[in-house]
Amino acid sequence: GESVGLHLPTLSVQEGDNSIINCAYSNSASDYFIWYKQESGKGPQFIIDIRSNMDKRQGQRVTVLLNKTVKHLSLQIAATQPGDSAVYFCAETGERGSTLGRLYFGRGTQLTVWP
Amino acid sequence: DAGVIQSPRHEVTEMGQEVTLRCKPISGHNSLFWYRQTMMRGLELLIYFNNNVPIDDSGMPEDRFSAKMPNASFSTLKIQPSEPRDSAVYFCASSLGRGGLREQYFGPGTRLTVT
Repeated sequence: GESVGLHLPTLSVQEGDNSIINCAYSNSASDYFIWYKQESGKGPQFIIDIRSNMDKRQGQRVTVLLNKTVKHLSLQIAATQPGDSAVYFCAETGERGSTLGRLYFGRGTQLTVWP
Repeated sequence: DAGVIQSPRHEVTEMGQEVTLRCKPISGHNSLFWYRQTMMRGLELLIYFNNNVPIDDSGMPEDRFSAKMPNASFSTLKIQPSEPRDSAVYFCASSLGRGGLREQYFGPGTRLTVT
């Protein structure tokens, strides 16, 4: 069945280091991927997205890499800061008939940044 | 823009009572989503509206759950009768365009506790 999962449930990094959060997906027809950040007590917040016709997209301090061959997505955060501590979710969607428009979320990775 | 507005932020009720959660999407957005988040199951899509019409309600757990969107600026999620296993954080999200192919903006959530 369809699934979006994460390789690691927790990740701890020191302030200033780079963080890499990984995500695997199973639907080869997925054509749109999103990373969300969820801080404690808040709703998920959009970080960056990428379409399947791209391999890489950069934002401010964040980069998303898409490897369609192995159905793998990663989020890289440069110079990680304490404010980056949160749960990070990957989500994917694609053309699926009656489920068109649904986002399928992974379980999330807890990123903790130590000073 | 005020973002997606949800009310109440917290709800504590007794088993068997009716619960109504409310959502005001971002003005101009034409897609609205209701999600439920628990530690065990993560973030689950319950129902998705596009232009006030339910497109996909396959995530609604059972007949005790119902959702309406009488106009473009308001939606409700009702649980009747409520059960302890309904305890979760319920998020509403909205997006511009066709559902999951665009970024979704989440509200702050309603934390529901059913005793």
